[in-house]
Amino acid sequence: DTEVTQTPKHLVMGMTNKKSLKCEQHMGHRAMYWYKQKAKKPPELMFVYSYEKLSINESVPSRFSPECPNSSLLNLHLHALQPEDSALYLCASSQDKSGGGGYTFGSGTRLTVV
Amino acid sequence: GENVEQHPSTLSVQEGDSAVIKCTYSDSASNYFPWYKQELGKGPQLIIDIRSNVGEKKDQRIAVTLNKTAKHFSLHITETQPEDSAVYFCAARSYSGGYQKVTFGIGTKLQVIP
Repeated sequence: DTEVTQTPKHLVMGMTNKKSLKCEQHMGHRAMYWYKQKAKKPPELMFVYSYEKLSINESVPSRFSPECPNSSLLNLHLHALQPEDSALYLCASSQDKSGGGGYTFGSGTRLTVV
Repeated sequence: GENVEQHPSTLSVQEGDSAVIKCTYSDSASNYFPWYKQELGKGPQLIIDIRSNVGEKKDQRIAVTLNKTAKHFSLHITETQPEDSAVYFCAARSYSGGYQKVTFGIGTKLQVIP
């Protein structure tokens, strides 16, 4: 298995809703990442997990809450989002936090906040 | 921190012609340079990468060159095909705040005209 699987593919949520994005990989990668990508922009790093521990939080607002239940799963819990949070949310993994060998990205969750 | 500049932002070529995308980076300690291809509705996919101890790498129709002195690297696609149409991102890995971090360029939208 050489894929990163993200669910759901599309999500529409109100500003008072609570929702979660899910990411799964079975490549034995020990680093997992959340990126946010706005239209016609490069991916922006949000969080890095290394060996299931949060390594980097790029000053992301607390309305985004990551969780790594085990080495194969990564969640992003969403609460009280704003319309400007609408974007493509990408999960990625790599062998380790050095990013050696490059990242494997999922197809993303297209999030719309109304 | 690292700054990666990429150009051109858009590129149109006739099928069968070559395409070249250029990137510069600012941190001389950057040691790994991946290139990603992102098709519409999908996550970025690693297509080729190069490490700082190598000057050139080739994989079929795709090649990457690195000039460490000038701090620039380029992607070359030969015999372009319509399926090469996508957004291409260069990236550089540097050491920031105790962690390796990957910084992306702004992206190049490549259109191959049949």
